[in-house]
Amino acid sequence: GIQVEQSPPDLILQEGANSTLRCNFSDSVNNLQWFHQNPWGQLINLFYIPSGTKQNGRLSATTVATERYSLLYISSSQTTDSGVYFCAVAGGTSYGKLTFGQGTILTVHP
Amino acid sequence: NAGVTQTPKFQVLKTGQSMTLQCAQDMNHNSMYWYRQDPGMGLRLIYYSASEGTTDKGEVPNGYNVSRLNKREFSLRLESAAPSQTSVYFCASRKGDRLNTGELFFGEGSRLTVL
Repeated sequence: GIQVEQSPPDLILQEGANSTLRCNFSDSVNNLQWFHQNPWGQLINLFYIPSGTKQNGRLSATTVATERYSLLYISSSQTTDSGVYFCAVAGGTSYGKLTFGQGTILTVHP
Repeated sequence: NAGVTQTPKFQVLKTGQSMTLQCAQDMNHNSMYWYRQDPGMGLRLIYYSASEGTTDKGEVPNGYNVSRLNKREFSLRLESAAPSQTSVYFCASRKGDRLNTGELFFGEGSRLTVL
């Protein structure tokens, strides 16, 4: 199956800083999503982005499918951005099964 | 519009007991999933159902059974719980079937402890 690797595993920021999270995958994909798991454990959909670029407020994401990676940008970080960010993918041989990366733990200090 | 609803939210079992986690979605989605989340392990797929009447094993199916009762409901059963099944369980659904496209939506999670 598809392998998914996220980096960095941990990230500590001061409020107001910018950050970039990366998701590498081992095969071609036609489904890629970014999720935020908040400190209460809820999984919140950020982007459905199998290719191209999207923006939503301070967050944006870019997927370069031909080079097998996706980036999540967080600008002007806030303490509420803290939590775990997951990338999930599915490709040609997945038959609907989405595989998750290990996540990036983000901590934003005031 | 409740989305994906899981019950119970919390459960404590003794080793060897059985239980069923229930999941229902009201988005008319075709695919439904059960994932487990353990510290440092991310989310791992237990079972997947692309449509009513079909189920597929995921990465960690041992010790679990599932039933896709109808299009709305997908249950996960632990026949004889073991401490290794202590975890947070998430149900999810997606509009697509075996085609990979379409956004995945999660329930709130069910925290299971096996003593």
